[in-house]
Amino acid sequence: AQSVTQLDSHVSVSEGTPVLLRCNYSSSYSPSLFWYVQHPNKGLQLLLKYTSAATLVKGINGFEAEFKKSETSFHLTKPSAHMSDAAEYFCVVETSGSRLTFGEGTQLTVNP
Amino acid sequence: SAVISQKPSRDICQRGTSLTIQCQVDSQVTMMFWYRQQPGQSLTLIATANQGSEATYESGFVIDKFPISRPNLTFSTLTVSNMSPEDSSIYLCSVLFSGGGFFGPGTRLTVL
Repeated sequence: AQSVTQLDSHVSVSEGTPVLLRCNYSSSYSPSLFWYVQHPNKGLQLLLKYTSAATLVKGINGFEAEFKKSETSFHLTKPSAHMSDAAEYFCVVETSGSRLTFGEGTQLTVNP
Repeated sequence: SAVISQKPSRDICQRGTSLTIQCQVDSQVTMMFWYRQQPGQSLTLIATANQGSEATYESGFVIDKFPISRPNLTFSTLTVSNMSPEDSSIYLCSVLFSGGGFFGPGTRLTVL
């Protein structure tokens, strides 16, 4: 069965420094992978999606993720963190029947 | 993409009662999904609702507790029955398009 593991439950960075949120996946085939962001008391927003077209996926708000099959990873990065990036981030895999399986989430804190 | 609305946005209920949550999508979709997000946790799929057929429930969720209706291709309801404080969660409906999964704003339920 497909699953994702987010390696850090909490990441703290300083404003202006790079962001790295780590996600490993488990799948018997090349999966569809997503990153979502959830700001406090706000809905879920899709950041980006990987569907095997290109290994480097660019998303909204300057985020991007690279699919590495050899490492079964799909890490989310951003060159320079903004205060507004502070939120919960979820790595998600699409499983059979178009269902989405969520990772446990990574809480990103951005310090001034 | 899709615009998804949910009613109510939040509610406070007494244990033993039931609450029906409505989900409306601005386009026709074959499958709609219901998720639960317990406090401080990730999202868990409750069930998949196809129009014209019985909903398919995930392990740990049963129809008697979470009956679902899907009367047409743009609307679904989820009922949380015989509620207990453990049912306090955010309930979200979702649809999946080729661009990704899109979520409603959620219904924040508190059971006293």
